[in-house]
Amino acid sequence: SAVISQKPSRDICQRGTSLTIQCQVDSQVTMMFWYRQQPGQSLTLIATANQGSEATYESGFVIDKFPISRPNLTFSTLTVSNMSPEDSSIYLCSVEVGSKEYFGPGTRLTVL
Amino acid sequence: GQNIDQPTEMTATEGAIVQINCTYQTSGFNGLFWYQQHAGEAPTFLSYNVLDGLEEKGRFSSFLSRSKGYSYLLLKELQMKDSASYLCAVRDPTGGGNKLTFGTGTQLKVEL
Repeated sequence: SAVISQKPSRDICQRGTSLTIQCQVDSQVTMMFWYRQQPGQSLTLIATANQGSEATYESGFVIDKFPISRPNLTFSTLTVSNMSPEDSSIYLCSVEVGSKEYFGPGTRLTVL
Repeated sequence: GQNIDQPTEMTATEGAIVQINCTYQTSGFNGLFWYQQHAGEAPTFLSYNVLDGLEEKGRFSSFLSRSKGYSYLLLKELQMKDSASYLCAVRDPTGGGNKLTFGTGTQLKVEL
């Protein structure tokens, strides 16, 4: 498996601001992903964070709103830009190790 | 498109056995995952099936039938701490990606 940490664990932000979430893994991994889990909902994939190239976004998610960085094989960031209350959610990173996918502890975001 | 169905809620008695079903229709298939998620926490990996048959791991077992697009998670000797949401997810390699698509989750309540 992998040990995954996320910062911050939670935050309360004002409308119109941006928040950058960090994801750190204890080993080098090729595949890293970012998910959103809205209250009472299941997980929805935002994008695949590709090392050395632009992230691959899923339908309904765009780079201007959710810019992602992947500077190396152990670290990625997701920025939630120009936030609105609808962005209140848990944001999770995950990594693929072997054939299995493991999740970080998540970042609980509340936008006022 | 992607369609993953699982019951919304289930209730079972401590010490009993419960089976949580998941049916899926996806463009491609490269494995099915089960995760456990307690309220306010990140999903925890439970099982991964890529070939037909039963995978047993302690009190938890997972079954897959690719021809039927069907899986189940079997929990034996239920404990109160098993009360959680159980998420079924399918990995689809279509389009060159390897992303997971999640079902809506089954909320399991274990009662005395």
